[in-house]
Amino acid sequence: GENVEQHPSTLSVQEGDSAVIKCTYSDSASNYFPWYKQELGKRPQLIIDIRSNVGEKKDQRIAVTLNKTAKHFSLHITETQPEDSAVYFCAASKTSYGKLTFGQGTILTVHP
Amino acid sequence: DTAVSQTPKYLVTQMGNDKSIKCEQNLGHDTMYWYKQDSKKFLKIMFSYNNKELIINETVPNRFSPKSPDKAHLNLHINSLELGDSAVYFCASSLTDDEQFFGPGTRLTVL
Repeated sequence: GENVEQHPSTLSVQEGDSAVIKCTYSDSASNYFPWYKQELGKRPQLIIDIRSNVGEKKDQRIAVTLNKTAKHFSLHITETQPEDSAVYFCAASKTSYGKLTFGQGTILTVHP
Repeated sequence: DTAVSQTPKYLVTQMGNDKSIKCEQNLGHDTMYWYKQDSKKFLKIMFSYNNKELIINETVPNRFSPKSPDKAHLNLHINSLELGDSAVYFCASSLTDDEQFFGPGTRLTVL
C-alpha cells in the first residue's frame, strides 16, 4: 500500500521567514496530494491540494510543488505569521474513493 | 450551517464497555470516512463508505463496526473498549475523489 513520509517533524521559524515541508510517497499510481492544517484541538482543514497533472500551485502565501518522477511534493509558506502555527499534514491518494494516506505531520511554530 | 458534525465531542468510558459515535453531513457528499488520530497526532483511515456501501476497511479490529443508514450518516460502534482505543476519532466526507471535509472530532478516553 501507499506510504507517505513527511519531514521535518518540527519546524520553528521567525515571523516573516519562509517555511518548507517535504513529503515523499511510494505508490506511483497516487495522483492527488492535499495538505491539511490542524490547529490545536481543532479538525484538519484543507489548505491547498495538487493533482498529478500539475507541477505547482499557488494560493496567496502558500504554494505546493510536485515532482512525480521523484515522487515527492512540498509545501511552501512565505511571509509566515504567528497564526500559521499549527500541525501540517501531507497526504496522498489514488483516484478512486479518495483513500488518503497521511504523513506523520509537521509541527510548525512561528515566533513573533 | 453546512458541515460535518459528530456526537459526542467527548466520551469517557470504562474498559469493556460498548460505545457509539455518530456522524452526519449535510454537504450532499456521497462518500464518508472514519479516521483515528492517536496520541502522536498520526491520522489513519479506518473505514470509508460510498453511497452506503463499505469500500475501505483497513486493518481494524472487528470490535469496530461502522454503519451507514443513508448517505448523510456514518456511525461507528465500538465493542469491548480497550485502553488502546483512546484517541480522537474524526469523521469526514467528500464527493468521490474530491476534497475531504472533517468533522470536529470525538475524543475517546478509555479508563
